[in-house]
Amino acid sequence: QVQLQESGPGLVKPWETLSLTCIVSGGSISSYYWHWIRQSPGKGLEWIGYIYYSGSTNYNPSLKSRITISVDTSKNQLSLSLRSVTATDTAVYYCARLHSEGTYFDLWGRGTLVTVSS
Amino acid sequence: QSALTQPASVSGSPGQSITFSCTGTSNDIGGYNYVSWYQQHPGKAPKVIIFDVSNRPSGVSNRFSGSKSGNTASLTISGLQAEDEADYYCCSYTTSVTRVFGGGTKVTVL
Repeated sequence: QVQLQESGPGLVKPWETLSLTCIVSGGSISSYYWHWIRQSPGKGLEWIGYIYYSGSTNYNPSLKSRITISVDTSKNQLSLSLRSVTATDTAVYYCARLHSEGTYFDLWGRGTLVTVSS
Repeated sequence: QSALTQPASVSGSPGQSITFSCTGTSNDIGGYNYVSWYQQHPGKAPKVIIFDVSNRPSGVSNRFSGSKSGNTASLTISGLQAEDEADYYCCSYTTSVTRVFGGGTKVTVL
């Protein structure tokens, strides 16, 4: 079955760029919207943004100036870049697939913890 | 965009029913029937239990039900069981073609 696997450095220094990858295995990245969602320790979920397999994107307005989400259909993966990170960006980052009918997240990765610290 | 508003915690005894809310605005919950609910156990990824306000994905217990009135959505868990102890998050589509989550509700089974 389709699985999502996030990966990236577990530790990022303040003001540097956080870069994460989500590999889609067991199925195609095509024809779906792919989202990034994060969860700060002990806190709730925060929607970060999405990318369609064709490359169109939309971002959380509060993060828009620092985010880039990209997709590589040849590698069946999507990526997240978050610039100028601070301690408040410490979180578990999830990639998730939007169901084909487009209204809910039907598939989630296990998440990857990123800590921002010097 | 502001997070949807959920009560921080709700508790109930086994077998009881509990209902809790998720309040937004006309720009999200009130404007669309695209409210979904997610259950999250500690250390696990969220799992959808309700979509499009009141629909259950295949395999989700019928003890979970959802509804909406105006800018407020609600989740009801009937016949509360120990395994229902988890965090629950609502999520809505918005007019900006984005998504917004609620702050989460911790359900405790007494």
